[in-house]
Amino acid sequence: GAGVSQSPSNKVTEKGKDVELRCDPISGHTALYWYRQSLGQGLEFLIYFQGNSAPDKSGLPSDRFSAERTGGSVSTLTIQRTQQEDSAVYLCASSLVGASNTGELFFGEGSRLTVL
Amino acid sequence: GQNIDQPTEMTATEGAIVQINCTYQTSGFNGLFWYQQHAGEAPTFLSYNVLDGLEEKGRFSSFLSRSKGYSYLLLKELQMKDSASYLCAVGGGYNKLIFGAGTRLAVHP
Repeated sequence: GAGVSQSPSNKVTEKGKDVELRCDPISGHTALYWYRQSLGQGLEFLIYFQGNSAPDKSGLPSDRFSAERTGGSVSTLTIQRTQQEDSAVYLCASSLVGASNTGELFFGEGSRLTVL
Repeated sequence: GQNIDQPTEMTATEGAIVQINCTYQTSGFNGLFWYQQHAGEAPTFLSYNVLDGLEEKGRFSSFLSRSKGYSYLLLKELQMKDSASYLCAVGGGYNKLIFGAGTRLAVHP
């Protein structure tokens, strides 16, 4: 597709369940970011993939969160044993090389996660 | 550490000019970005500054002073559709982009 695609767009789950969120970046974009945005708040950095380099996982809030990027393209963010405080919109963005080289991240529409 | 500060909310009148300030303290600096986010939508890129000075793009301008760790976004001839959140973001070490909490701008007739 032409833009960053995320799925599911909405996910409602019960506390304690695992969830997987998928991001399909723009073809050819080597950088991929995951951010989390709670209602009315800014974007909280979670994880950053750049090419074949080791990902920057410094923003992951706990060991229940993990992410992988297969073949330098599609990424999956996994949240294990979800908690109510995990409820947020999870945004994925991609850019050509590093964002600081091009100045532009392209964002997906986000996956809204609600943990009951 | 990383710290990006911007006002939480601002209001302005249609047709007026508004300036949204952003101050930052980050480890490493590879440019400062402004993004616009309408309610319920994804952020979209507005501007990028890596050198000191003013970058103008239509009704929007962005200014950077690296020595002061300061930027502002200037919106001219405000329109109702400019009501949105404006996110300041800094490219730090390893090209990681860190966002501030955003400024919610409400434009009134």
